[in-house]
Amino acid sequence: SQQGEEDPQALSIQEGENATMNCSYKTSINNLQWYRQNSGRGLVHLILIRSNEREKHSGRLRVTLDTSKKSSSLLITASRAADTASYFCATAVDDKIIFGKGTRLHILP
Amino acid sequence: DTAVSQTPKYLVTQMGNDKSIKCEQNLGHDTMYWYKQDSKKFLKIMFSYNNKELIINETVPNRFSPKSPDKAHLNLHINSLELGDSAVYFCASSHDSGSTQYFGAGTRLSVL
Repeated sequence: SQQGEEDPQALSIQEGENATMNCSYKTSINNLQWYRQNSGRGLVHLILIRSNEREKHSGRLRVTLDTSKKSSSLLITASRAADTASYFCATAVDDKIIFGKGTRLHILP
Repeated sequence: DTAVSQTPKYLVTQMGNDKSIKCEQNLGHDTMYWYKQDSKKFLKIMFSYNNKELIINETVPNRFSPKSPDKAHLNLHINSLELGDSAVYFCASSHDSGSTQYFGAGTRLSVL
């Protein structure tokens, strides 16, 4: 079974709205990372949040981590067409990083 | 300058052939990875090398053989290609295991 699983699998919202994606995992982690993948491209790192952190911000991105619930959320505020992509969470456990299956986000004009 | 570069970008070949994909990083990282992304976009780690030494070798057919001539390069050689090998293969690197990874643009392999 997957270590990290994103929810929802797909999300369509109007431009300007906020988008929230969630990630749940099963084992204790060292850190959790969020990546974006545009169609036909490689993954691009967005944010890394350590296991002793609860929230981090980067521009329009806000990531939360709840280690008691083994879950994380990625919030994109004031979405733009360019935010259309797949978003992956990745959990770092010991020397290994395990990626979830991703959330496909589509921003409607 | 591209931080993680892999070649070729596209690879179309017949079943049974042997092919290689090359990866180079100019970030000075110690750890490099190969991932396979299937048609459902599931990203699965195949191998991880730290300073030229293999540290992760997931359940991958032994037709796949990684080679790291130095810590800036991690090549992937695939023998006797099969239809199920068709996927996008990504190379990545990081400062150390568990830290932020930097990905190449991917190699789209199509086995006919």
